[in-house]
Amino acid sequence: GQNIDQPTEMTATEGAIVQINCTYQTSGFNGLFWYQQHAGEAPTFLSYNVLDGLEEKGRFSSFLSRSKGYSYLLLKELQMKDSASYLCAVSRSGATNKLIFGTGTLLAVQP
Amino acid sequence: GAVVSQHPSWVICKSGTSVKIECRSLDFQATTMFWYRQFPKQSLMLMATSNEGSKATYEQGVEKDKFLINHASLTLSTLTVTSAHPEDSSFYICSARETSGTNIQYFGAGTRLSVL
Repeated sequence: GQNIDQPTEMTATEGAIVQINCTYQTSGFNGLFWYQQHAGEAPTFLSYNVLDGLEEKGRFSSFLSRSKGYSYLLLKELQMKDSASYLCAVSRSGATNKLIFGTGTLLAVQP
Repeated sequence: GAVVSQHPSWVICKSGTSVKIECRSLDFQATTMFWYRQFPKQSLMLMATSNEGSKATYEQGVEKDKFLINHASLTLSTLTVTSAHPEDSSFYICSARETSGTNIQYFGAGTRLSVL
């Protein structure tokens, strides 16, 4: 089976840095994704890690450790518009590489 | 690039009627598309995987006769909710993955279905 865990809610201050953790247990791991979802909207792609290490893209970075079944999303210089749900999703190897989503972390950025 | 269009964005229907939702990849070909369902404040639950030219693969617990999926071309998949009931009210989201490309799924804007 598979299990993906991430905190339900987090609060951070505008301009600060926040780290959202995700742990997973799955068979046939084929990469880990982070998506951002604003309320009532569809998820938008943020990052994709398939190898261990840190991937940096502007204010957002994502880290993966396959041996530990662990990833985090790091958001720097937080802005109010970063208030959203952040979804961790694991891709399982196979004909379709379907994604299994975690429950999401609702981030509230305060002034 | 990698734009996925989903239509309609909002639909209200009477109980017992059928509703069709379209998912199109606008600037890429997608052999595989996915249909998800999301309840308020919950994450996405995969309903089925739509494969161009073949039958869809449904997740456990999803009624294939209730949620009909057709993937007739490399850019279009449709989900039809048949004989809709109030408990089918939800946010339905599709995604598409490029046929020749990365493993990234790009999502449509979603369809909010309300069954009266």
